[in-house]
Amino acid sequence: EAGVTQSPTHLIKTRGQQATLRCSPISGHTSVYWYQQALGLGLQFLLWYDEGEERNRGNFPPRFSGRQFPNYSSELNVNALELEDSALYLCASSFTGTVNTGELFFGEGSRLTVL
Amino acid sequence: GQSLEQPSEVTAVEGAIVQINCTYQTSGFYGLSWYQQHDGGAPTFLSYNALDGLEETGRFSSFLSRSDSYGYLLLQELQMKDSASYFCAQKALTGGFKTIFGAGTRLFVKA
Repeated sequence: EAGVTQSPTHLIKTRGQQATLRCSPISGHTSVYWYQQALGLGLQFLLWYDEGEERNRGNFPPRFSGRQFPNYSSELNVNALELEDSALYLCASSFTGTVNTGELFFGEGSRLTVL
Repeated sequence: GQSLEQPSEVTAVEGAIVQINCTYQTSGFYGLSWYQQHDGGAPTFLSYNALDGLEETGRFSSFLSRSDSYGYLLLQELQMKDSASYFCAQKALTGGFKTIFGAGTRLFVKA
């Protein structure tokens, strides 16, 4: 069974540009979570999508946005990129939040570098 | 908001036992998870505690005390390959479910 897949693996942008990151969850999972992990730091919660709806978001500015498609894949958009947006962006999936046991399945991440 | 406290770094020798502690805030608490992340890799799930007590999975065990807002991960018979970062993560129900991660504990296993 395929795990969570993310693309692109690496992305280099300049300040002010926009970045789009993509995630395909494990088959059968309806929840997708996005996290930001700056170098050497912990995971900061960005967004949670379930059944196509945004269910929760972390303390990030509105230029971080995303969506979930009918096939449960998801996209994270970061507008007006700033240098401090350089980080590893991790996507995770699970069964819907109300019934799962707490296990999130992570992809390998997309490394975004803003120059 | 939620925040979790765990030590930033722990060093132990091969074959030893190490305990990584985690304290959390109680607001909307639903359960405590532990994840392992090797350098350059994705976090991988180790365990989840929703109720008080000890959960054992091979060499790894996790404990939760809801009354103390405290949990720990116990790693036994340490191996070099256990050198990694370990994150506790709180599943909370506040305006919807979310899983908040601690800053991580870097474990160094020495020969």
